[in-house]
Amino acid sequence: AQSVTQPDIHITVSEGASLELRCNYSYGATPYLFWYVQSPGQGLQLLLKYFSGDTLVQGIKGFEAEFKRSQSSFNLRKPSVHWSDAAEYFCAVAHPDRSQGNLIFGKGTKLSVKP
Amino acid sequence: KAGVTQTPRYLIKTRGQQVTLSCSPISGHRSVSWYQQTPGQGLQFLFEYFSETQRNKGNFPGRFSGRQFSNSRSEMNVSTLELGDSALYLCASSQRQGYEQYFGPGTRLTVT
Repeated sequence: AQSVTQPDIHITVSEGASLELRCNYSYGATPYLFWYVQSPGQGLQLLLKYFSGDTLVQGIKGFEAEFKRSQSSFNLRKPSVHWSDAAEYFCAVAHPDRSQGNLIFGKGTKLSVKP
Repeated sequence: KAGVTQTPRYLIKTRGQQVTLSCSPISGHRSVSWYQQTPGQGLQFLFEYFSETQRNKGNFPGRFSGRQFSNSRSEMNVSTLELGDSALYLCASSQRQGYEQYFGPGTRLTVT
């Protein structure tokens, strides 16, 4: 079955520290990959996406993610976390056949930032 | 360019009633998808519309239905509401099927 696993439910980091959020997927083919962020009471904002090509992708707000086919992973990173990054982060996959456009989401990782 | 808009933002209904939620996609986007978000089940796909046709459907009962209009705006309907339907309902639009999706702020539905 297709699935996305975010092993960390909650992570706390100090402001200015680096961040890595883990995402692993189980999928028949190499899917399209996404990271979204959700602040309380709001919808999801797209941080970055991977369709093909360079396995290191840059996104908004200083985030980047690296696709590793051998590990079926798409981890999100940020070199220096800001207090405003506190939110919930969701990894998602979509079928590379664009006729199946639905996203499959992980359960999310809640990020808290210590001053 | 305006983002995805959803109305209403908050809704309180009673069990057994029905509800209609509305979504206006980003201008030029022709695909609209709907998701349900609950603390227990997380984000789950409901259905996807493209060019007024339902292209994909998630694993939800027939009480959940939707449609898309010629201007790409979409509505979803839930009939015979149950307590378990309480959730945040998110609409997302994309230029076409399979492209990155942009989400609206959601409609918070509470069923009492």
